[in-house]
Amino acid sequence: EIVLTQSPGTLSLSPGERATLSCRASQSVSSSYLAWYQQKPGQAPRLLIYGASSRATGIPDRFSGSGSGTDFTLTISRLEPEDFAVYYCNKLTFGGGTKVEIK
Amino acid sequence: QLQLQESGSGLVKPSQTLSLTCAVSGGSISSGGYSWSWIRQPPGKGLEWIGYIYHSGSTYYNPSLKSRVTISVDRSKNQFSLKLSSVTAADTAVYYCARYKGAFDYWGQGTLVTVSS
Repeated sequence: EIVLTQSPGTLSLSPGERATLSCRASQSVSSSYLAWYQQKPGQAPRLLIYGASSRATGIPDRFSGSGSGTDFTLTISRLEPEDFAVYYCNKLTFGGGTKVEIK
Repeated sequence: QLQLQESGSGLVKPSQTLSLTCAVSGGSISSGGYSWSWIRQPPGKGLEWIGYIYHSGSTYYNPSLKSRVTISVDRSKNQFSLKLSSVTAADTAVYYCARYKGAFDYWGQGTLVTVSS
């Protein structure tokens, strides 16, 4: 069973700053199956990135995904107020999440 | 637009069986090579994948829950279901249904199930 470890647990940033979120897998993962989600309080998660680097429908281009093998990254180029949320990486199982909070 | 809606008992007694159904609208559960999944989230915690059923009917479960989980599909009603047996307080969570094909692209709104006597 693949374990996904996300870091950092919490990221404190200001609007306009760049966010870099990490997801490390316990064994090599096919990029085709690595996804990222955003979740806001009281809401279901929303798919942001699939196939490690493809944006889902309607996702702004400030969100980008990269990586391969065991190391994957979600980057938000310039944080907007609505981007402060919890982010999960996923390959069937989920990472523990990274909370992006307002500094 | 595809929509998923969970329904079922919001309160289950310890040792009993949790039963939920996910109704799919705006598309057929039998088409497109998708799998149909259940995911849960305990209050204040992260997401846990429970399992899924392929469009063909075969199933795949999280090994940590496999002994207690059954996912089935009712194609005539365009819905799929979850049964989780021998529940404890640790099974208290918001339960989501979702469509899967390499990623979970459509989600239900979630339903809170509390395990308590």
